Amino acid sequence: DTEVTQTPKHLVMGMTNKKSLKCEQHMGHRAMYWYKQKAKKPPELMFVYSYEKLSINESVPSRFSPECPNSSLLNLHLHALQPEDSALYLCASSRGTGEGTSGNTIYFGEGSWLTVV
Amino acid sequence: AQRVTQPEKLLSVFKGAPVELKCNYSYSGSPELFWYVQYSRQRLQLLLRHISRESIKGFTADLNKGETSFHLKKPFAQEEDSAMYYCALGGAAGNKLTFGGGTRVLVKP
Repeated sequence: DTEVTQTPKHLVMGMTNKKSLKCEQHMGHRAMYWYKQKAKKPPELMFVYSYEKLSINESVPSRFSPECPNSSLLNLHLHALQPEDSALYLCASSRGTGEGTSGNTIYFGEGSWLTVV
Repeated sequence: AQRVTQPEKLLSVFKGAPVELKCNYSYSGSPELFWYVQYSRQRLQLLLRHISRESIKGFTADLNKGETSFHLKKPFAQEEDSAMYYCALGGAAGNKLTFGGGTRVLVKP
């Protein structure tokens, strides 16, 4: 099983709503990621969790709140989003957590399409 | 700082023609380079990584540290190769993967 599973596939939310995106992997990977991808643009890193601890926050606004309940799950809690936050949100995972190791191959989920109205 | 440059936004080739996607990187440490492909309405998939030196779907890429490049090549393009291709650089502490801007490949019949 080399899959990263994301739910929901599509989400429409108002600017005052609170919602969550969920991500799951059962590959035993110890690093998990959230990326944001706007149309026709490359993915941009938001957060990295390593061994269930937040290791990188790329200066993401606090209206995005990540959570890693266990080594297989990663959530992204959304609150008071803006229309410009509409994008494809990608979850990913990798076996390795260090520099220069072959475990750095990162596997992506299909993404959750988020529309903020 | 890590940076990846893909100078071509769009490459249009005829079926059977060679295709080369350029990728240049900037990184002071020991780089790990990847090519990811995103077919229409599908997830981002790993195509190649330099460390394994393999050929996938006829694509190859060689890391040239002197020129800081990791160009992707295929001698005979197929229509099913039409997709968005991203070059990505890893290797920083914390597994930070930096993507280039992407190159859309269109293979015409």
